[in-house]
Amino acid sequence: EPEVTQTPSHQVTQMGQEVILRCVPISNHLYFYWYRQILGQKVEFLVSFYNNEISEKSEIFDDQFSVERPDGSNFTLKIRSTKLEDSAMYFCASSVRGVKETQYFGPGTRLLVL
Amino acid sequence: AQTVTQSQPEMSVQEAETVTLSCTYDTSESNYYLFWYKQPPSRQMILVIRQEAYKQQNATENRFSVNFQKAAKSFSLKISDSQLGDTAMYFCAFTSNTGNQFYFGTGTSLTVIP
Repeated sequence: EPEVTQTPSHQVTQMGQEVILRCVPISNHLYFYWYRQILGQKVEFLVSFYNNEISEKSEIFDDQFSVERPDGSNFTLKIRSTKLEDSAMYFCASSVRGVKETQYFGPGTRLLVL
Repeated sequence: AQTVTQSQPEMSVQEAETVTLSCTYDTSESNYYLFWYKQPPSRQMILVIRQEAYKQQNATENRFSVNFQKAAKSFSLKISDSQLGDTAMYFCAFTSNTGNQFYFGTGTSLTVIP
């Protein structure tokens, strides 16, 4: 069964550095999402992406965040200048159609900012 | 604003017994969708069950069923004949018909005891 994959599984970075988290959604899916989960807290929506543009973003998704689908298969989340509070698990998800449909989640990237 | 509340951080159940996980939500929307996701240890979230708010019939999926009480804004998950593989974190999630994001609860950690 097709799965969403994410790389790397773990990333450690210094505060102020840029990180790129990568996701490969399921191939026939058209909608893509990023979520994050700070340890011990709920999963929070960051952004949704459709037709090569952001369709919705949360307050968390400020100017230091960006998303891109550079090559038709990968879906990336870039954090330009990481802060300590960006330490979290980041989940990518995809769905065939809009959010009413089931979202399929990747295994996550655990980001630790030192 | 939409909120999802899971009031049971941890639960345990004996193998083969039945357990019910609670979820309540708050919304002013009339049409929306509710989900239960399961996240086994170190694994990705997978869909357990999905309910469409305009359907009065409770969704079922093998050993998993929901008790959807729209007036009470309650969406509990019942797991029958619990198996060791049901040990996981369970997240309740909500999405509206008009939005583009999922709202998650804080999760319930379920342990099935042999």
